[in-house]
Amino acid sequence: QQPVQSPQAVILREGEDAVINCSSSKALYSVHWYRQKHGEAPVFLMILLKGGEQKGHDKISASFNEKKQQSSLYLTASQLSYSGTYFCGTEGSARQLTFGSGTQLTVLP
Amino acid sequence: GAVVSQHPSWVICKSGTSVKIECRSLDFQATTMFWYRQFPKQSLMLMATSNEGSKATYEQGVEKDKFLINHASLTLSTLTVTSAHPEDSSFYICSARGNQQGPTYEQYFGPGTRLTVT
Repeated sequence: QQPVQSPQAVILREGEDAVINCSSSKALYSVHWYRQKHGEAPVFLMILLKGGEQKGHDKISASFNEKKQQSSLYLTASQLSYSGTYFCGTEGSARQLTFGSGTQLTVLP
Repeated sequence: GAVVSQHPSWVICKSGTSVKIECRSLDFQATTMFWYRQFPKQSLMLMATSNEGSKATYEQGVEKDKFLINHASLTLSTLTVTSAHPEDSSFYICSARGNQQGPTYEQYFGPGTRLTVT
């Protein structure tokens, strides 16, 4: 079953922060986050493997609440290059990924 | 490291013909490759899981006789769309996951192949 992402879309000004949420009705082995630009393949951002894990790179970080079966992606001081569609992917028992519906992020100058 | 290539990048074909798309892991061995399809402004939908040396596992609703998958080696998986129809037009993306010696958790995506059936 497809994880649910919220919000569906967000528009920011450069330098503003954003949070994207991902929740699943099934138990999660891990949560993967990807960003996709129009017409391109998804680019891996990070993976969270354990409940309670938090991880970050540059000004993008994520957390994983295993009990609540939720993950959140935090974008701090957003840059123009952050624009794109963000997908969370939840991993099933066969290591296949089921992607959420996506969150379209637009960063304006 | 962890580069996945796809060929071709785009293809236009006539209705009723077959099209083959290749997915290669260039710098690691991929025991498992995944094939996704993405329609405009929609999410990636998993079509099938391809394991080297064995039959692919198809997701519910995906016709295995129409979408033939072959994973002949640890670096190559192919998807053949047989008797293509306009409704098969889509963006097809593969991803690869490494074996124990390579990347173990991340999936690395190919650049995608845009198929247009006229």
